[in-house]
Amino acid sequence: AQSVTQLGSHVSVSEGALVLLRCNYSSSVPPYLFWYVQYPNQGLQLLLKYTSAATLVKGINGFEAEFKKSETSFHLTKPSAHMSDAAEYFCAVSVYSGTYKYIFGTGTRLKVLA
Amino acid sequence: EAGVTQFPSHSVIEKGQTVTLRCDPISGHDNLYWYRRVMGKEIKFLLHFVKESKQDESGMPNNRFLAERTGGTYSTLKVQPAELEDSGVYFCASSQDSGVSTDTQYFGPGTRLTVL
Repeated sequence: AQSVTQLGSHVSVSEGALVLLRCNYSSSVPPYLFWYVQYPNQGLQLLLKYTSAATLVKGINGFEAEFKKSETSFHLTKPSAHMSDAAEYFCAVSVYSGTYKYIFGTGTRLKVLA
Repeated sequence: EAGVTQFPSHSVIEKGQTVTLRCDPISGHDNLYWYRRVMGKEIKFLLHFVKESKQDESGMPNNRFLAERTGGTYSTLKVQPAELEDSGVYFCASSQDSGVSTDTQYFGPGTRLTVL
């Protein structure tokens, strides 16, 4: 069965520091992976998605993620954290069982310290 | 273009009462999904509509939950009677083409349900 694991339910970084949010997947078939962000009182917003076209995927707001098959990982990074990046981040994999649906990780709440 | 909207944003009810959540998808999106997040846990799939038909309801917890999408536009999710463990945030999402693995689902802000 396909699954997603996000290591670290809470991550704190200083403003200007590197952001690294971890996501590992388990899949017997080529996975299609997504990162979503939820800002307070808003819905989930797509940051980026892996579609097998390129292993390094660039998303919105300066975020990017690299698909590493050998490590079964799809970690999310941003070179320099901004206060506005404080939010909850979700990794998801699209799975097929008659139709496509998402399986999510448990989420990582990012705190940015001034 | 309006995004996915959900109503109400919050609902607090007593155990045993009935609650109905509503979701309006993005116009033109045939696919509508319901997900739920219980506090501290992952967001879990509940069901998927294609137009007015239930394509997959494998995630529905039990028969106290009833989802409808009459006319293939908005959808409602009714919980009757509500139990304490039904508390959580209910998300709705919509997409254009569920036949594509990389199809993006667009999420609403969620309805926070608290059952006392």
